[in-house]
Amino acid sequence: DVKVTQSSRYLVKRTGEKVFLECVQDMDHENMFWYRQDPGLGLRLIYFSYDVKMKEKGDIPEGYSVSREKKERFSLILESASTNQTSMYLCASSYLAGTTGETQYFGPGTRLLVL
Amino acid sequence: QKEVEQDPGPLSVPEGAIVSLNCTYSNSAFQYFMWYRQYSRKGPELLMYTYSSGNKEDGRFTAQVDKSSKYISLFIRDSQPSDSATYLCAMRALGGSQGNLIFGKGTKLSVKP
Repeated sequence: DVKVTQSSRYLVKRTGEKVFLECVQDMDHENMFWYRQDPGLGLRLIYFSYDVKMKEKGDIPEGYSVSREKKERFSLILESASTNQTSMYLCASSYLAGTTGETQYFGPGTRLLVL
Repeated sequence: QKEVEQDPGPLSVPEGAIVSLNCTYSNSAFQYFMWYRQYSRKGPELLMYTYSSGNKEDGRFTAQVDKSSKYISLFIRDSQPSDSATYLCAMRALGGSQGNLIFGKGTKLSVKP
């Protein structure tokens, strides 16, 4: 079974704080993703990585950065948290796409509240 | 026009009913189609995965893809209260960006005992 774990289920932070969200997968997947999920807006891709030290911007990268130093670990960083970053953050991983496509496996999510 | 459209619901049905969930899409290059189920306060979990057109059945669940109409469906037979969740469709094209999995916004389903 694919397992994607996230470091925290719930986090409360203050405006201006630096926030680290960690994600670890145990299936040797090449791809890793960070999404945020908000009511009425669905899942929105923040960043993804297809290899160690590689990253690409998704649809809403502003205010976020990422780090992938090891294949199994992908971190999302909020450099200076703001209230509009209050959301559910979901990490996912998948195999590198070949000719058969790939499916993404999600972690349980981190519910972040920025006060 | 958005790439993927999904009726958000909520959809409420009695236990035992047949449920039909649908997504429409605009990009004819989409080849891979998925359905995810997301329980409240949990991450999405993959439910069904199909490639190109046709039907795929897994127990009480049937996924159907009609590429000519750019329409996909998920049918749930003999629905149970444990099926109450949000269902998200997702799709992508062959090749292209590795991150290019496009999600619908999800349909919230409630199955009443």
